[in-house]
Amino acid sequence: DAMVIQNPRYQVTQFGKPVTLSCSQTLNHNVMYWYQQKSSQAPKLLFHYYDKDFNNEADTPDNFQSRRPNTSFCFLDIRSPGLGDAAMYLCATSRGRPTTGYEQYFGPGTRLTVT
Amino acid sequence: AQSVSQHNHHVILSEAASLELGCNYSYGGTVNLFWYVQYPGQHLQLLLKYFSGDPLVKGIKGFEAEFIKSKFSFNLRKPSVQWSDTAEYFCAVNAHSGGYNKLIFGAGTRLAVHP
Repeated sequence: DAMVIQNPRYQVTQFGKPVTLSCSQTLNHNVMYWYQQKSSQAPKLLFHYYDKDFNNEADTPDNFQSRRPNTSFCFLDIRSPGLGDAAMYLCATSRGRPTTGYEQYFGPGTRLTVT
Repeated sequence: AQSVSQHNHHVILSEAASLELGCNYSYGGTVNLFWYVQYPGQHLQLLLKYFSGDPLVKGIKGFEAEFIKSKFSFNLRKPSVQWSDTAEYFCAVNAHSGGYNKLIFGAGTRLAVHP
């Protein structure tokens, strides 16, 4: 089945220690998104890629970076995690362009704990 | 700024009861509207969507939603809920902002259905 896969499902890191979360997709979608979802809150968009074009949300901290080496993979790098970065991180994909507004397909998420 | 409001954060129902979850958005332009569902331990899944045409849309598992443009609303309904509908439900709006479409989520409604 075509899907969005996130690894690992659970990640524990130490305060200030860089961490990378990964996302892969078999849907061959052009657009990939990263969201942060804190407990009892709505998912919040961090950034997205349209093919290799990167678009950062204005309020995404500099501490968060992303890489998309090819269509299938996208990575979220947190350079110096703080306690406030503990959250569920969701990867999503959609076809077409970011301007078309098609539905997004979500992965299961990675729950990040910062100790 | 665009926003999505879900009126009920927690809803508890008995099986066979009818369900209506409220969703209002603030955005004056053309919108695409979605309801996503997240079953316990699973990823966000699309329940239904509205892009254009008939404002009453049918989704999976017997859910439907009605888009009322004059009220900026997109309420979710199901005539008879089942225990398996226990999940968290997110309303989302895909609104054009900054040159691309951005999915804005409501805070979610946790539904618990008792047998």
